[in-house]
Amino acid sequence: AQSVTQLGSHVSVSEGALVLLRCNYSSSVPPYLFWYVQYPNQGLQLLLKYTSAATLVKGINGFEAEFKKSETSFHLTKPSAHMSDAAEYFCAVSHRQAGGTSYGKLTFGQGTILTVHP
Amino acid sequence: EAGVAQSPRYKIIEKRQSVAFWCNPISGHATLYWYQQILGQGPKLLIQFQNNGVVDDSQLPKDRFSAERLKGVDSTLKIQPAKLEDSAVYLCASSLEPSGGRLFFGSGTQLSVL
Repeated sequence: AQSVTQLGSHVSVSEGALVLLRCNYSSSVPPYLFWYVQYPNQGLQLLLKYTSAATLVKGINGFEAEFKKSETSFHLTKPSAHMSDAAEYFCAVSHRQAGGTSYGKLTFGQGTILTVHP
Repeated sequence: EAGVAQSPRYKIIEKRQSVAFWCNPISGHATLYWYQQILGQGPKLLIQFQNNGVVDDSQLPKDRFSAERLKGVDSTLKIQPAKLEDSAVYLCASSLEPSGGRLFFGSGTQLSVL
């Protein structure tokens, strides 16, 4: 079984401040980890993913995340927040299906709404 | 490139009524997913198709929910009869195979059951 916990359903930062969105996972097999973002009135889109290569993963719009196995974490960061970063962010976990090539189903966390103040 | 299309955008029904949602995935995407997103929660997979075969429907309440993907392209998700707890956003997503975990989501159908 696999699960994801996102700490904090709402995070508020000032424009230009550090963004830190927390994600902890639970998985009985080596996980694949993802961050998706949902802007208002749009569908979810992939921000970045970890699939057992480099532990520090860079995504779109200046975001990055670091896989820490010892802490079972995959926190999302951005050095300087922009107003356009306001959205809901979802962490998700998956794993390669046995005998297959698919990554199988994604299990999502409950989401963190990021608000950016001027 | 056209994205994943879903309709209707909103639907309001009374409990015990039936409802259907439609999804047209990105052209060439072999895999199609239906997710349910209840307010305040993350999306939960209901069913996954690869072409027109079901890969995973372990979390689909089969006594009231059904889904089909004819000819491996469009898909419909039906609820009959609806319950109050079915109020949610129903998201359709598609992906290439293997997906690499990159799913392309539609904007969803927001269902309110009164």
